[in-house]
Amino acid sequence: GAVVSQHPSWVICKSGTSVKIECRSLDFQATTMFWYRQFPKQSLMLMATSNEGSKATYEQGVEKDKFLINHASLTLSTLTVTSAHPEDSSFYICSARLAGMVDTQYFGPGTRLTVL
Amino acid sequence: LAKTTQPISMDSYEGQEVNITCSHNNIATNDYITWYQQFPSQGPRFIIQGYKTKVTNEVASLFIPADRKSSTLSLPRVSLSDTAVYYCLVRDNYGQNFVFGPGTRLSVLP
Repeated sequence: GAVVSQHPSWVICKSGTSVKIECRSLDFQATTMFWYRQFPKQSLMLMATSNEGSKATYEQGVEKDKFLINHASLTLSTLTVTSAHPEDSSFYICSARLAGMVDTQYFGPGTRLTVL
Repeated sequence: LAKTTQPISMDSYEGQEVNITCSHNNIATNDYITWYQQFPSQGPRFIIQGYKTKVTNEVASLFIPADRKSSTLSLPRVSLSDTAVYYCLVRDNYGQNFVFGPGTRLSVLP
């Protein structure tokens, strides 16, 4: 149980294009999902907290107009990287909080974004 | 933001017990401590979670002292496949953010 999927697992795009990443909780409902970014050899950095039916909360320094987050259902959150640039190339990981268990997050497998 | 401190790296040999300690001085009263394992190019995998004293499951044990300002993940009899980065996760005492520690890179040698 508690499986989280991400799609796509990797994507290569040209600079200036937008990329959408999906995060799904497959066997549970998640009122809260999180988006992280991880650069090589570094720890995960929280980008934003996504709550179902409301606006996402972004961490300081994360541009909300560049990283659009939508959490339209209890099993799906999407992250859209708009007008991507090479510096946006990174490993993006989502997690979902299992409803009723406050402090347990289950992570997706990650999405490798490469912007040329 | 609360900070967590872990050793940057550890080496061990197959079959040994490995203990990784995380310091989290600003942990909130109601927060749990959670440890994750991460392999390269994969999302973190849940290992164990605890609030106080000792928790044990089929893969690890977690020791938490009374003041809860640190925790120790214990991996019994490690194998080569346990080579990974291990993170402890607590909730910031001053907000709602989950804070990842810097991670400990464990290398298990034959």
